[in-house]
Amino acid sequence: QVQLVESGGGVVQPGRSLSVSCAASGFTFSRFAMHWVRQAPGEGLEWVAVISSDGRTKHHADSVKGRFTISRDNSKNTLYLEMNSLRVDDTALYYCAKDRDMGAAGYHFDCWGQGTLVTVSS
Amino acid sequence: EIVLTQSPATLSLSPGERAALSCRASQSVRSYLAWYQQKPGQAPRLLIYDTSNRATGIPARFSGSGSGTDFTLTISSLEPEDFALYYCQQRSGWPSITFGQGTRLEIK
Repeated sequence: QVQLVESGGGVVQPGRSLSVSCAASGFTFSRFAMHWVRQAPGEGLEWVAVISSDGRTKHHADSVKGRFTISRDNSKNTLYLEMNSLRVDDTALYYCAKDRDMGAAGYHFDCWGQGTLVTVSS
Repeated sequence: EIVLTQSPATLSLSPGERAALSCRASQSVRSYLAWYQQKPGQAPRLLIYDTSNRATGIPARFSGSGSGTDFTLTISSLEPEDFALYYCQQRSGWPSITFGQGTRLEIK
């Protein structure tokens, strides 16, 4: 079955960097766009970034643009999110999510990991 | 940015009752609206995509309707496992994707 497993979260000071990753299995990873969605403690969902199936096209939410970078390695079935210049309000559970549509991103998310917690605190 | 407003914030009903959750968009999202269910400590689960299409494995008691700016998620007869948090999400404004703030469905 489809499985997404995030890792790499932790506690980091404001202004520092952190990278999180998502290992995918149970589907042909290279055929689907992938997303990061975050959820601050006790809050709602916020879409963060998308990457096309071939990795050539990326979009980031305005709130993270210029600080976060999404990437993928289709040979390793792994999705990444590099986070720089972290701020306290980036504290959240970061989910990777599979796009429902094969090929071009459809921006509906039909499978989610359990998330990795990133805490930005001094 | 397209803002999605969900109402009510909390809905208190009993098992067996019918639930209707609302999602209103600040501008037309055509039919590009999805619904997710989230239980405590769990990731969201896709229920409905593009207004009215049930995702794989979703029971028939869940249905979606609407168009443009007004959408409804209906649960025809509540089961105990349906009490959870529900979010709507639009993809019309891609790549600017937004979620509603959520409706909590609780047991009365």
